[in-house]
Amino acid sequence: QLHLQESGPGLVKPSETLSLTCTVSGGSISSSSSFWGWIRQPPGKGLEWIGTIYYTGSTYYDPSLKRRVTISVDTSKNQFSLKLSSVTAADTAVYYCGRHEYSYRHVRYLDYWGQGTLVTVSS
Amino acid sequence: EIVMTQSPATLSVSPGEKTTLSCRASQSVSSNLAWYQQKPGQAPRLLIYDASTRATATPARLSGSGSGTEFSLTISSLQSEDFAVYYCQQYYNWPQTFGQGTKVEIK
Repeated sequence: QLHLQESGPGLVKPSETLSLTCTVSGGSISSSSSFWGWIRQPPGKGLEWIGTIYYTGSTYYDPSLKRRVTISVDTSKNQFSLKLSSVTAADTAVYYCGRHEYSYRHVRYLDYWGQGTLVTVSS
Repeated sequence: EIVMTQSPATLSVSPGEKTTLSCRASQSVSSNLAWYQQKPGQAPRLLIYDASTRATATPARLSGSGSGTEFSLTISSLQSEDFAVYYCQQYYNWPQTFGQGTKVEIK
């Protein structure tokens, strides 16, 4: 059974960089049938896709966040990471990592999710 | 970007009743549509993918239908564990996008 766990600071100052790591256990991040994604949820609001990465390093980002987002993968540690720069209060959210099913050459739904971690942007 | 619109925002339903949630895409997503359930303080859980295929552990009383731009999630007889927020998501193309959610609450 695949398990994902987010980790990182729960408080980030405005204009600084938010950094989170997702550790994957129970399976390999180098699986050819998996892509790995970050999703966030502002308090009381809906889900927002941030970006997705393959173990080779290929990435897809939401256009509205693309200038500020970097997602990377460390296959030796079975981890992938999110960096979001120049944060403001609008970036306060629960951040989830998840696993996308990849089949028929198509990155599909998210079938495994981490528990989520709240990141607050405040001075 | 494909915009996903869910309706209604809130559904008030009595236990045992049947209810249907709707999701509309701003352009065709074929059958590349998933439904998720989220309870307070929990991560979303995949219920349905490819518009109508139940994920592992999704009970048979939940069913998905539709293709193109119009989709629905039907719960045939609401149980206490079904009261939650439901999101649809398209994965037809990038960026993948979610609807704003429908809250199913106890009437």
